[in-house]
Amino acid sequence: AQTVTQSQPEMSVQEAETVTLSCTYDTSENNYYLFWYKQPPSRQMILVIRQEAYKQQNATENRFSVNFQKAAKSFSLKISDSQLGDTAMYFCAFMKHNNNDMRFGAGTRLTVKP
Amino acid sequence: DVKVTQSSRYLVKRTGEKVFLECVQDMDHENMFWYRQDPGLGLRLIYFSYDVKMKEKGDIPEGYSVSREKKERFSLILESASTNQTSMYLCASSLAGARSNEQFFGPGTRLTVL
Repeated sequence: AQTVTQSQPEMSVQEAETVTLSCTYDTSENNYYLFWYKQPPSRQMILVIRQEAYKQQNATENRFSVNFQKAAKSFSLKISDSQLGDTAMYFCAFMKHNNNDMRFGAGTRLTVKP
Repeated sequence: DVKVTQSSRYLVKRTGEKVFLECVQDMDHENMFWYRQDPGLGLRLIYFSYDVKMKEKGDIPEGYSVSREKKERFSLILESASTNQTSMYLCASSLAGARSNEQFFGPGTRLTVL
């Protein structure tokens, strides 16, 4: 079974600074997908960024980027120029290729301070 | 935009009551999911459905059942609610065969069982 570990239950960052959220996973699969989802307070969970395991290039979406280390089974999320609206719960998730079973980490609660 | 809606944001029920949680998606997605979200545990899959009248057990199906009579609607049923089912329940949907595998989430139902 795949497991996803987020070792930082809570983090905080000053507005405009950079923060990195950690995620590690355990799998014997070679082809899979990794995701970071954001859940703002009292709002719907939305996808932040996605990485396909066969792609070596790290995914980037505006201020959000990942550091995907396949051999180390690590998938961290970097948020640059943090904004107050980035305050949310962030979940790392894993999904095998051609499979609907998405595995989530326990989440990291990020607070952006003014 | 994909819209996933859930029938209630907040629900309070008594132990032993039968509880229905409804989820509707408007993007013709084949796959639908029910998760429960608990602090420190992330999201855990209860059931999912990949077609009308089809269902598969997730990691924690005990005490729950589901119904999918129409493609757009996926219901979660607590046959006899218990206090340990107090939780946040999230519904999600995704397009079958989509390369992205992205799941789209509803706003959640916070259920309290007294």
